[in-house]
Order: sequence, then C-alpha cells, then structure tokens
Amino acid sequence: GQQVMQIPQYQHVQEGEDFTTYCNSSTTLSNIQWYKQRPGGHPVFLIQLVKSGEVKKQKRLTFQFGEAKKNSSLHITATQTTDVGTYFCAGPSSGGSNYKLTFGKGTLLTVNP
Amino acid sequence: NAGVTQTPKFRVLKTGQSMTLLCAQDMNHEYMYWYRQDPGMGLRLIHYSVGEGTTAKGEVPDGYNVSRLKKQNFLLGLESAAPSQTSVYFCASSEPRGGNQPQHFGDGTRLSIL
Repeated sequence: GQQVMQIPQYQHVQEGEDFTTYCNSSTTLSNIQWYKQRPGGHPVFLIQLVKSGEVKKQKRLTFQFGEAKKNSSLHITATQTTDVGTYFCAGPSSGGSNYKLTFGKGTLLTVNP
Repeated sequence: NAGVTQTPKFRVLKTGQSMTLLCAQDMNHEYMYWYRQDPGMGLRLIHYSVGEGTTAKGEVPDGYNVSRLKKQNFLLGLESAAPSQTSVYFCASSEPRGGNQPQHFGDGTRLSIL
C-alpha cells in the first residue's frame, strides 16, 4: 500500500538555527497536508499544498511540494522554542481517497534555548 | 466553540475489560475518524465514517468496533482490552467538500491497559 516517509525522525537544534523536514511518498499525491503536534497535544493542521512545485509561506515556515508531487518539505527559518513539537505530513490514502489520509511518522523537533 | 471533544481524557483498564470512547463534534462535519498514536509510529487509522449510519475499517481495525448513530458522535469500543491497545487515541473530523479537507483533532484519550 501507499507509504509516506518522513526524515529525519528527530532533529535537535539551537535556537536561531534553521530546520528542515522532508516527506516522500511512494505514489503521486493529489495534495499534501502538514500538521504540527505540540508535546502532550493534538495534531493541528498547518497547510495544504495542491499544485506541482507549489511553495507557500507562513511567517518563518516555508512549505514546498515537489514537481512530481511525490515529495514535500517544511523549512523553518531561525527556530524558536515555540517551534518545538512533532511535524507530520499526510497524503491521500491509496486509491486517491477523498477523505482518508496516510500520515508520515513525523519529525520531532526540539530546540535548545 | 468546542470543535472536537473526546471523553474520557485518561483511563486505565485491566486486560479483558471493555470500554467506549466518545467523540463529539459541533462543526456539522460529515467525516469522522479514529486514530491511535504510538511512539515512533505516527497516526494510524483505526476506523472511519463518511456519514451518519456508516462506518468502515482503516489500517488497524482489529480489536475495535465503532458506531455513528448520530452525525455529531463517533464511538470507539474495545470489547476485550489487551495490553497492545495501550495508546493515545485521537478522534478527528472533516468536511467532504472538495476532497481531503483539513482534519480537526480532539485532545486525545490516553488509555493504559494493565
């Protein structure tokens, strides 16, 4: 079945350093979503990318969708302690489902102040 | 503006006991989901529903049952709890329009099976 893989699994940075997490799918995706989960919290939707090569920014966060629509990345510039958490990507489940998502295992970001 | 509400928030069970987790959403969403989250495993779909009266199996349905008698509620049942079901359970909901709308998650239920 479809797999969504994320790397790295963990990333520890000093406050002010940049951070990037990568998401790769075994199949072409119609769209990809990114979620953030704070420690002890629940996943919260950040953004959805739909178009090939799409780039979207939210303040210090930059999201990219690959040209082939099989990979995506999230880049955080100048991390802050508020960025701590696990970042998940998610794509439509096998068969192009309109309602089911397959989540990657996430990248846990810790920030040393 | 509650969104998605899960009850209970914490529970400890003994092996073999049964229980029901309740999820309620006030956003009039058609789609609802139950996930389990284990360390290093991400979110895995247990069961889902695309509307009142409908349910379907997800990735890891064994040992669980669900019901969606009312649009706003989605219940997850464990008939005979096993230690392997110790996990954090999240309920989520989304709208059907346009496909793959963002999912809104509840705060989770932390379940321990002894």
